[in-house]
Amino acid sequence: EAGVVQSPRYKIIEKKQPVAFWCNPISGHNTLYWYLQNLGQGPELLIRYENEEAVDDSQLPKDRFSAERLKGVDSTLKIQPAELGDSAVYLCASSLELAGGPNEQFFGPGTRLTVL
Amino acid sequence: AQKVTQAQTEISVVEKEDVTLDCVYETRDTTYYLFWYKQPPSGELVFLIRRNSFDEQNEISGRYSWNFQKSTSSFNFTITASQVVDSAVYFCALENEPMDSNYQLIWGAGTKLIIKP
Repeated sequence: EAGVVQSPRYKIIEKKQPVAFWCNPISGHNTLYWYLQNLGQGPELLIRYENEEAVDDSQLPKDRFSAERLKGVDSTLKIQPAELGDSAVYLCASSLELAGGPNEQFFGPGTRLTVL
Repeated sequence: AQKVTQAQTEISVVEKEDVTLDCVYETRDTTYYLFWYKQPPSGELVFLIRRNSFDEQNEISGRYSWNFQKSTSSFNFTITASQVVDSAVYFCALENEPMDSNYQLIWGAGTKLIIKP
């Protein structure tokens, strides 16, 4: 079974440029997460989707970040314009959430963004 | 407030030694879930274990074992006879069960484990 797929793996852009990340979750997983991870720290949730609905986007900087999950499958995270402080690894994860508590999340390899 | 503390920033041991990674959590909920994830140098987070607050049984999986103690709010992870391949950053995480079922995973800062040959 294929895992969570993310692209690109690496991205280098200049500040003020736009950038987009793509995620394809595990087939059948209804919940999708975007995290930001800085070096030496744990992941920080940006947005969580249940199917196509964003159920938690409280940590998403909405002035420059946007996300969508079309048809409740693939998802795209966009930053426009990028700032120097956005340099980090952007992780996508998916899980199959049913009644009975949260299940484990399966993570993709991440996209390492460098803003110059 | 929910919080996860992994006080050990980095641990270095020689191969075949046993090592314990500490995790202390804070929550006011009676129902919650605890997780451990491994992040090897390749970067991909890998799930290791999930434990709910009503199950205090310790768990053993091969060389890995987990000690859950509600009395001390700890969920420690022990690797027996460590191997070089165990070198990674290990994260402990807490997920509560809110009224609206909008779970939020709270992550610790991680412990970097270095196993020397």
